[in-house]
Amino acid sequence: GQQVMQIPQYQHVQEGEDFTTYCNSSTTLSNIQWYKQRPGGHPVFLIQLVKSGEVKKQKRLTFQFGEAKKNSSLHITATQTTDVGTYFCAAYTGNQFYFGTGTSLTVIP
Amino acid sequence: GAGVSQSPSNKVTEKGKDVELRCDPISGHTALYWYRQSLGQGLEFLIYFQGNSAPDKSGLPSDRFSAERTGGSVSTLTIQRTQQEDSAVYLCASSLWANYGYTFGSGTRLTVV
Repeated sequence: GQQVMQIPQYQHVQEGEDFTTYCNSSTTLSNIQWYKQRPGGHPVFLIQLVKSGEVKKQKRLTFQFGEAKKNSSLHITATQTTDVGTYFCAAYTGNQFYFGTGTSLTVIP
Repeated sequence: GAGVSQSPSNKVTEKGKDVELRCDPISGHTALYWYRQSLGQGLEFLIYFQGNSAPDKSGLPSDRFSAERTGGSVSTLTIQRTQQEDSAVYLCASSLWANYGYTFGSGTRLTVV
């Protein structure tokens, strides 16, 4: 089955520092999505990447899809306490999206 | 409705009892998904519906789990003879079509005692 590895599993940063989470697959992906889950909440869709090498930005968040479409990254510039949560990547398998293990981000004020 | 609605939000049941979890997706969303999330863990895929049919049931953990969807809308996930390892948050999501962003419900927190 589809294997999507996410690193790191946990990340603690000081408020104002940058943060990056990586998603890696052993197979070529048709597309990839990113979700954010706040503590005690449910996952919320952030973005979908489809094209090789695609880069999309949402304010302080930058999403990138690798040239080979086997990896993706989410970078947050100057983290804020509102960025706290778990970030999941999800890879489309043909029927449904397979979710990565997630990266839990803690922001220290 | 405006979002995906799940009920009940919390369910405590005794081991061995059956439970039914309900999901009311966004109107017009053809695809519906059930995932399970244990405390501090990732999302485990259970089943996917396209319309009323379930092309992918591969994630159902055992034959105690079943799901149906009627009228291309509401879905019910049934767990028979619940076990303590069934305790988790059961999340439902819907999307316009299969290869599109999901909207998740708030989940049902199931506790088997």
